Amino acid sequence: GQNIDQPTEMTATEGAIVQINCTYQTSGFNGLFWYQQHAGEAPTFLSYNVLDGLEEKGRFSSFLSRSKGYSYLLLKELQMKDSASYLCAVIKAAGNKLTFGGGTRVLVKP
Amino acid sequence: NAGVTQTPKFQVLKTGQSMTLQCAQDMNHEYMSWYRQDPGMGLRLIHYSVGAGITDQGEVPNGYNVSRSTTEDFPLRLLSAAPSQTSVYFCASSPFSGTGQQPQHFGDGTRLSIL
Repeated sequence: GQNIDQPTEMTATEGAIVQINCTYQTSGFNGLFWYQQHAGEAPTFLSYNVLDGLEEKGRFSSFLSRSKGYSYLLLKELQMKDSASYLCAVIKAAGNKLTFGGGTRVLVKP
Repeated sequence: NAGVTQTPKFQVLKTGQSMTLQCAQDMNHEYMSWYRQDPGMGLRLIHYSVGAGITDQGEVPNGYNVSRSTTEDFPLRLLSAAPSQTSVYFCASSPFSGTGQQPQHFGDGTRLSIL
């Protein structure tokens, strides 16, 4: 089976940095996705990690450690529009099936 | 480019009624899937398909049926609606990859309430 854990909620100040952690236990692993979901909207793709290390995309970075079953999403220079839920999802070795964590709701305050 | 289109956007049903949630994509994606999203539980996979004529069960398939007669369409049927099926339903699609490395594109969701 797969257990994926992330914090339920985080609050940060505009302009600051927030790190959202995700830990997983899975019998097979072929990558980890991060999605952003604004309230009442569809999830949208942010990043994909399959190898250990850091992937950077502008203000967003994602890190993976396969040996530790751990990933984080780093949001820099926070903007009000970054207030959303961030979903961690793991894909097993075979097929496209995604298993999602419960999501982390990030609230950015002025 | 429409992407993934879900209809209806909102629906209220009575217990025991049946209905079909529609999902269509125009990106020629092989892989399509249905999720439900409940507060605090994230997205859970109901059914998925890796191509026309092929479907399989996900994590929470009970009470739902799917079919995939064309590449574009992947309808989800509720056989006999129950209050426990009140949820937001998302359809998603992606190019199929044996290693699953393609990000999925989500529709806008169907908000379903069962009374």
